[in-house]
Amino acid sequence: EVQLLESGGDLVLPGGSLRLSCAASAFTFRTYAMAWVRQVPGKGLEWVSSISGDGANTWYADSVKGRFSISRDDSKNTLYLQIDILRIEDTALYYCAKQNSSSMYYFDYWGRGTLVTVSS
Amino acid sequence: DIQMTQSPSALSASVGDRVTITCRASQSISSWLAWYQQKPGKAPNLLIYKASSLQNGVSLRFSGSGSGTEFTLTIISLHPDDFATYYCQQYSTHPATFGQGTKLEIK
Repeated sequence: EVQLLESGGDLVLPGGSLRLSCAASAFTFRTYAMAWVRQVPGKGLEWVSSISGDGANTWYADSVKGRFSISRDDSKNTLYLQIDILRIEDTALYYCAKQNSSSMYYFDYWGRGTLVTVSS
Repeated sequence: DIQMTQSPSALSASVGDRVTITCRASQSISSWLAWYQQKPGKAPNLLIYKASSLQNGVSLRFSGSGSGTEFTLTIISLHPDDFATYYCQQYSTHPATFGQGTKLEIK
């Protein structure tokens, strides 16, 4: 069974940094594009960033461009999200999600999420 | 970005009922639409992709239809486990965007 396990969420000050991780198992990780999707508690879903299966291409929501960086280590079956210059509005539950493809994608598996709280 | 609008935002129904949730796109997305179910404290779960294709393991009580700008998710014979929040997502054009959600509550 496909499993995605996020970690790294924490309470941080505005302007701070975090690195989120997502450990994947039970599928050929290097074959699939992966994504981060976030959800403010009690609110809707927002796509944040994606990376292609070969890691050569990355995409970002305008709201995080220049501050977030997605990467992957296929030798460890792990996806990462480096989050810098955190803002209060970045407070959310961050989900790791497997995409069905690199382009025209939906999310067929999701992790349970890791909570990022930005507060002074 | 393509805007997705769901209606209603909340819906009350009884066990055994049939319900329909609508999702409208701000421009044509062909059939590039997915539906997700999210229960409190859980991650979203893919139900339907390409507007009407049922994801493996999802109950046949769920069905999707539509193309272009208007889509529906129908659930027949509601079970207690179906009371959750449902989201649509377009994947026609980058970035992928979601509807605001429809909360299905027990009447």
